[in-house]
Amino acid sequence: AQSVSQHNHHVILSEAASLELGCNYSYGGTVNLFWYVQYPGQHLQLLLKYFSGDPLVKGIKGFEAEFIKSKFSFNLRKPSVQWSDTAEYFCAPSMDSNYQLIWGAGTKLIIKP
Amino acid sequence: NAGVTQTPKFRVLKTGQSMTLLCAQDMNHEYMYWYRQDPGMGLRLIHYSVGEGTTAKGEVPDGYNVSRLKKQNFLLGLESAAPSQTSVYFCASSYLDPTPSGNEQFFGPGTRLTVL
Repeated sequence: AQSVSQHNHHVILSEAASLELGCNYSYGGTVNLFWYVQYPGQHLQLLLKYFSGDPLVKGIKGFEAEFIKSKFSFNLRKPSVQWSDTAEYFCAPSMDSNYQLIWGAGTKLIIKP
Repeated sequence: NAGVTQTPKFRVLKTGQSMTLLCAQDMNHEYMYWYRQDPGMGLRLIHYSVGEGTTAKGEVPDGYNVSRLKKQNFLLGLESAAPSQTSVYFCASSYLDPTPSGNEQFFGPGTRLTVL
């Protein structure tokens, strides 16, 4: 069955720390991969996406993610977080170009000023 | 371009009452979705539509009905609200052809529903 796993449900970091949020999916076929972010009290917005080409993709606000096909992973990274990065982050693969996304449970990130 | 809009933003219902949530998009998207978001559970798909006049069940459809009479609108109905339907409801839309954007979904601001 197709599934997605986000390893950390809650992450607390200090400002300027480096961030890596894990995302693994279980599917051997073609995938498109998304990270969405939800700032407190706001709706979900796209952070970055991968669907072809360079497996290292860059998104908004200094975020990047690397698609490693052999590991079925699409981890989100940021070298130096800011207080404004406090939000919930969702990994959502789409498998076989299906229009549906499979949503991870989300990771709540809290940045201490 | 308003994108995806939802009305209302907040609503409080008593058990057994009914209501309809409206989603509208102005991007000419074929696909539209209704999700509910509950703490620690991510987003769960309630119903979706692949075009005007079509609807299909998602992961958690029980207790909800939907209609897509116009391409730009997707309505979510609760016929007899229950406390278990207390949640935040998000509408989303996406293109018919996944190739250009890789199935990116565009979200509305959400409706916070409380059922007492």
